[in-house]
Amino acid sequence: KAGVTQTPRYLIKTRGQQVTLSCSPISGHRSVSWYQQTPGQGLQFLFEYFSETQRNKGNFPGRFSGRQFSNSRSEMNVSTLELGDSALYLCASSLRPGTGEAEAFFGQGTRLTVV
Amino acid sequence: TQLLEQSPQFLSIQEGENLTVYCNSSSVFSSLQWYRQEPGEGPVLLVTVVTGGEVKKLKRLTFQFGDARKDSSLHITAAQPGDTGLYLCAGASGNTPLVFGKGTRLSVIA
Repeated sequence: KAGVTQTPRYLIKTRGQQVTLSCSPISGHRSVSWYQQTPGQGLQFLFEYFSETQRNKGNFPGRFSGRQFSNSRSEMNVSTLELGDSALYLCASSLRPGTGEAEAFFGQGTRLTVV
Repeated sequence: TQLLEQSPQFLSIQEGENLTVYCNSSSVFSSLQWYRQEPGEGPVLLVTVVTGGEVKKLKRLTFQFGDARKDSSLHITAAQPGDTGLYLCAGASGNTPLVFGKGTRLSVIA
């Protein structure tokens, strides 16, 4: 079966702009989580969606937002981009939310560079 | 806030050597997962350990979950260049999101 698909793979934006990233989970998976990965901080949790509802939110400013559609596809948006937002943004899908026994499958990520 | 500390942060070894990577926390987790991430790719799940004291083997990789479910280790026997990558541990607790360590970057030199 197809894996988790994230688009685009690479993105270069200017400070102050906004960006939308997309994630299509594995067919049948209804839970989607987003993470930001930087060399200094590692993977930091952004938010988690299950059946179109945000279940958990990480400690990020309100410039970071997300949503999930009825087909389980998810988008995250970052407004008023800052240089520090440059990172690899990873999406993970799983059958169930939150529990460590539900294997999480990651996409290849979107590499965002803010200049 | 639950934190996972991984050590060492970086490891460079010769092919054929053995190594151990550690993942420690002051918090108890219901399960702990190990991932490997290669450059330009997302993390790939290697194993999930659930029971305190549990040991799982995956070819040359041995994973152990501490008795108190606060720590875990990954031991690689006879490392090969193909083992090169970023090894991440992640803890799960109830319905909260996975908590990741910062990773151990392993380089195996032929």
